[in-house]
Amino acid sequence: QQQVKQSPQSLIVQKGGISIINCAYENTAFDYFPWYQQFPGKGPALLIAIRPDVSEKKEGRFTISFNKSAKQFSLHIMDSQPGDSATYFCAASMLVGGNQFYFGTGTSLTVIP
Amino acid sequence: DAGVIQSPRHEVTEMGQEVTLRCKPISGHDYLFWYRQTMMRGLELLIYFNNNVPIDDSGMPEDRFSAKMPNASFSTLKIQPSEPRDSAVYFCASSRTSRYNEQFFGPGTRLTVL
Repeated sequence: QQQVKQSPQSLIVQKGGISIINCAYENTAFDYFPWYQQFPGKGPALLIAIRPDVSEKKEGRFTISFNKSAKQFSLHIMDSQPGDSATYFCAASMLVGGNQFYFGTGTSLTVIP
Repeated sequence: DAGVIQSPRHEVTEMGQEVTLRCKPISGHDYLFWYRQTMMRGLELLIYFNNNVPIDDSGMPEDRFSAKMPNASFSTLKIQPSEPRDSAVYFCASSRTSRYNEQFFGPGTRLTVL
């Protein structure tokens, strides 16, 4: 059973456009929601993360929006650049579950020049 | 810090052979995770350790897979015998116990079983 559902599976955006990736979860015990970025041939790396006590977190062109009541969170990439082309994974974890992450299935983003 | 180190980076073997993947976590990290990544199934958690003790191995596909962590700086994932459906990229990640943690991933081992 997929604990975190991610969509879309792939996304193509023009340079300068906004990329939006969505994730949803069911387990209300989750209390930490990181996003990981993976370039071809590399391991995933932490991009940005949010806790459920805030509704939005922004770091540069990357923003996480969090809707606790809907149990959804999304990643927005503003002014998307070709260098953002990568696979993005959302994840969730809970304090009582130790350090285990539940990852979404990933979104392959392609930014066209 | 050198980050999480995995070896080998690429492994090509024939069906039925034993395969051993190796991981050195970041010094001071007390959690170690083994993941498998495929196009069909994405990132799957296979097993994770805390202070060298296996905590959850429910993601290990079958008895052909085994993992050990003899000390804080070394872990192995073994597949015996290997099958073509085991072909995937295997990642090791480590993290430190904290309220909101970050998992640091290694570069992965690309396994091809012919």
